Amino acid sequence: GEDVEQSLFLSVREGDSSVINCTYTDSSSTYLYWYKQEPGAGLQLLTYIFSNMDMKQDQRLTVLLNKKDKHLSLRIADTQTGDSAIYFCAESTRGTGNQFYFGTGTSLTVIP
Amino acid sequence: DTGVSQDPRHKITKRGQNVTFRCDPISEHNRLYWYRQTLGQGPEFLTYFQNEAQLEKSRLLSDRFSAERPKGSFSTLEIQRTEQGDSAMYLCASSPTGNTQYFGPGTRLTVL
Repeated sequence: GEDVEQSLFLSVREGDSSVINCTYTDSSSTYLYWYKQEPGAGLQLLTYIFSNMDMKQDQRLTVLLNKKDKHLSLRIADTQTGDSAIYFCAESTRGTGNQFYFGTGTSLTVIP
Repeated sequence: DTGVSQDPRHKITKRGQNVTFRCDPISEHNRLYWYRQTLGQGPEFLTYFQNEAQLEKSRLLSDRFSAERPKGSFSTLEIQRTEQGDSAMYLCASSPTGNTQYFGPGTRLTVL
């Protein structure tokens, strides 16, 4: 199946920028997503990018896609303590019912 | 709140018992997905419905698992003869098109 990989942990100071990285293997991915999961809760869709785009910005969030290297990143500007959570990268491919393939998640800790 | 809802939020059962979970999708979303998430992992796809038709099932969905969506609205996921390895968070998501999936809060199953 498709592999989606993320580093497990990231720690940043409040007010700094956070960059969470993700790599994937399926070159036919059509959409790539970032979800946020707080303890004991479901997944909250943060943003997504279509595979023909290089960048998408949404308030404090910037998504960069390097399709050649199959690399996706999420930058969070002015990181706040409320941003502490697990961030999941996911990809979907047309023709498979749009099932999503998720990475293992990156646990972001924001230090006050 | 018109988001995806799941019931119950927590379920503790003894090995060998049957359990059933319910998911109510966002109104008018014709696609509904079930995922399983174990500790430290991202969600793994189990099955997918478009309206009342179950179109795709993962190999993770053993014959002890069955899912239904009889009227194309809510869905149920039943696990028969539960095993300790079934302990996980069971997540439901709905989508209008398949390109974006909105997740419910999940049902946490503990099998003793």
